Amino acid sequence: AAGVIQSPRHLIKEKRETATLKCYPIPRHDTVYWYQQGPGQDPQFLISFYEKMQSDKGSIPDRFSAQQFSDYHSELNMSSLELGDSALYFCASSPWDLRETQYFGPGTRLLVL
Amino acid sequence: SQQGEEDPQALSIQEGENATMNCSYKTSINNLQWYRQNSGRGLVHLILIRSNEREKHSGRLRVTLDTSKKSSSLLITASRAADTASYFCATALGDSSYKLIFGSGTRLLVRP
Repeated sequence: AAGVIQSPRHLIKEKRETATLKCYPIPRHDTVYWYQQGPGQDPQFLISFYEKMQSDKGSIPDRFSAQQFSDYHSELNMSSLELGDSALYFCASSPWDLRETQYFGPGTRLLVL
Repeated sequence: SQQGEEDPQALSIQEGENATMNCSYKTSINNLQWYRQNSGRGLVHLILIRSNEREKHSGRLRVTLDTSKKSSSLLITASRAADTASYFCATALGDSSYKLIFGSGTRLLVRP
């Protein structure tokens, strides 16, 4: 069965650079969630989208922005990267009417040097 | 953690033994879920229990939920070395998005 696809899987950036993470949800899933997991930490909710509209917002820094496109894929844009942004970034998807269960992608590991 | 604490933080057992992990949370919830994460990899959904349920089983997994105590437990019976992973509980508050609030996780090591 198709799973959530995230790209790239690994990313190395320097401080103050920008990064774009992409998420391709499971086919027919219209809801996308982004989570950030720092080293040794639990995942923290960043933001979610339903039908291209932001549905909820968590602890996402102002330096980050995200959007969902008409094909339901989503992109997380990160600017002015800081060392503390080094983390594993997960995308999850679900159908809105079955959003009790989220299906997670493999994550993008971002390292900021 | 924003919502929950898990204990123990780390657990080491022998293959074949049972492993019990506990999770406590702070606010009213719609459901509670358990996820598994192998070292630095993706989160795998294990089981979901709704706020009006008290116990649920799935294979070797048994989950209980006590909403009066705001706590849940995950029992893995007859553990295997392949069960070695971190286990997180996550709560959904029932707001419109059903975003998940994760607990701090238990690192389980099953020794062969």
